[in-house]
Amino acid sequence: GQNIDQPTEMTATEGAIVQINCTYQTSGFNGLFWYQQHAGEAPTFLSYNVLDGLEEKGRFSSFLSRSKGYSYLLLKELQMKDSASYLCAVNGGATNKLIFGTGTLLAVQP
Amino acid sequence: EAGVVQSPRYKIIEKKQPVAFWCNPISGHNTLYWYLQNLGQGPELLIRYENEEAVDDSQLPKDRFSAERLKGVDSTLKIQPAELGDSAVYLCASSRSSGSGETQYFGPGTRLLVL
Repeated sequence: GQNIDQPTEMTATEGAIVQINCTYQTSGFNGLFWYQQHAGEAPTFLSYNVLDGLEEKGRFSSFLSRSKGYSYLLLKELQMKDSASYLCAVNGGATNKLIFGTGTLLAVQP
Repeated sequence: EAGVVQSPRYKIIEKKQPVAFWCNPISGHNTLYWYLQNLGQGPELLIRYENEEAVDDSQLPKDRFSAERLKGVDSTLKIQPAELGDSAVYLCASSRSSGSGETQYFGPGTRLLVL
């Protein structure tokens, strides 16, 4: 079957670093996406990994290990506006069909 | 560049009534997706279009749900009749193509409440 696991909730402090983990078991793999979703808004694209390693984009970085079925999203210098749900999604087939995790709700506290 | 547009943003109906949602994708995007998102969950694909052709509708409950994308641009998703369990957010997304690395861009969604 297809399974994607993320922690349900996390709390972190403004200015700190937080790592959100995602593990997946899918029948195929053609890349992993991270999306940010503020309450009541559309998911917005953060990052895409298809090869092993770290992709850095400003304050956000994403890591992938295909052999371990594991990814993480690293957020540095946390700001209050980073409070949102972070969705891990795997492209499990030849076409762009995404399978989403349930999302991790991050609360950034002062 | 305008993003994915959806309307209405909110809809409240009584059970057994019909409802329709509209989506206008990003200009030039050939692939269009409709997702269902329940509270506290990730989006789940209902149907995917390549231009005007529905190429993956395996998760669409066809007894009450229908969708169309007649000219390969705008799309509508309809529920008839609506049930209480259909209360959710209906998200539309688009991408340039269905290639494995193509980013999907989401609209703000239609929040449906069935009473």
